[in-house]
Order: sequence, then structure tokens, then C-alpha cells
Amino acid sequence: GAVVSQHPSWVICKSGTSVKIECRSLDFQATTMFWYRQFPKQSLMLMATSNEGSKATYEQGVEKDKFLINHASLTLSTLTVTSAHPEDSSFYICSARLTGRDTEAFFGQGTRLTVV
Amino acid sequence: QKEVEQNSGPLSVPEGAIASLNCTYSDRGSQSFFWYRQYSGKSPELIMFIYSNGDKEDGRFTAQLNKASQYVSLLIRDSQPSDSATYLCAVATSGNTPLVFGKGTRLSVIA
Repeated sequence: GAVVSQHPSWVICKSGTSVKIECRSLDFQATTMFWYRQFPKQSLMLMATSNEGSKATYEQGVEKDKFLINHASLTLSTLTVTSAHPEDSSFYICSARLTGRDTEAFFGQGTRLTVV
Repeated sequence: QKEVEQNSGPLSVPEGAIASLNCTYSDRGSQSFFWYRQYSGKSPELIMFIYSNGDKEDGRFTAQLNKASQYVSLLIRDSQPSDSATYLCAVATSGNTPLVFGKGTRLSVIA
């Protein structure tokens, strides 16, 4: 199956700082990537849809100025958590689907963010 | 609002038994249906997908889809302790739309 690589796998940062998470499709081109957030014992909640070369589409309740998404190439999308606070501590996961086909979503390894 | 409902469990079954996991969805436009397994602290990994009504078997796993009832299920035969995980049901409306996930069912297989 297709491979999605996410980095870093875990990060600890101080409150008020920004953290960038990278998501790469290694063996396919992803015009669209999806960013999810998962709190403990909760399901994956879609945050935003990242579109190559255009603005991301955010889900209701997700602050676009806080969670900056950049999808500058067909293989890389980044999520930057700006001015992070402890309540932003969560498991962030990116995924992509092969364009034009009814296929499963391929997931990155996830990033465990802890804001202290 | 697109919703995917699952019984949160935990569902406990003895080793070697059949585990039955259920899922319902609200969007009749859903076309693709997926079962993922997620271990604690890890990303979901695909078990099976199904697009057509009926059963689909893959090894010890069988997915069942009933679009009229908006119901999807996953059967795990000969359950093993290593099957203990959270099982996520997900649906999508078309090829490049995001998957909508249920909250997951925690399965515990007892040796």
C-alpha cells in the first residue's frame, strides 16, 4: 500500500511556542491530505482538508489562524500549531487517499504533542 | 451532520471465539466503508474495506454491509489476544473525501 510518513512522532513544547508537523506521501502524489486530531479514548476528529496549491478547508470549530496548514507540493503538507497551549496536547494524524479512486486512507505514524 | 455510531465497549471475548463489531452510519450517500484497528498510541491500520452489499471475507475477518439498514459489521473468527485493540469504523462518500470515523469499539480477547 501507499506510504505516508509523518514527523516528528512526538514533541514536547512550552506553552506559547509553535510546533510544525510534517506529512509526506512517499510513493504517490497526494493533491489532498487530511489532518485529524485524537484526544485520549476519543475517535479521530477531522480538523482540516489540505489542498495542494490552495487554501485548506477547516472543519467547524477549528481555528484556521491557530492551526496553519501548508500544502506546497504534491508530496508534503505541514500543520503548524501556533501559540500552543496545554489544551492543544493531543495526537495529530495526517492521512491521504489515492486521487480518483475509492481507496482506503493511508495514515502517517501520528504525532504526540504535549504542551507544558 | 454525518455520524458514525459504534458501541464503545469494552467487548470481551475468550480466545478462539468470534468477536462481532457493529457500526451504523447516518449519511445515505456513503459509498465506501472501512474497518481500522488502532493500538494505543499508534495510528489506525486498515483491516478491510467494503463497497457492496453483502459479505467480504479476508482470512479471519468478515465485513458485512447492508446499505438499506445503514449498517456495517466486522466479524473476527478465532479471536487472538493480539486482536485486542480499538476497532474503528469509517465511511466516505466518494473517492477523495475524508473518512468519517466512529468512536471505536474496544475489544479485549482473553486468553
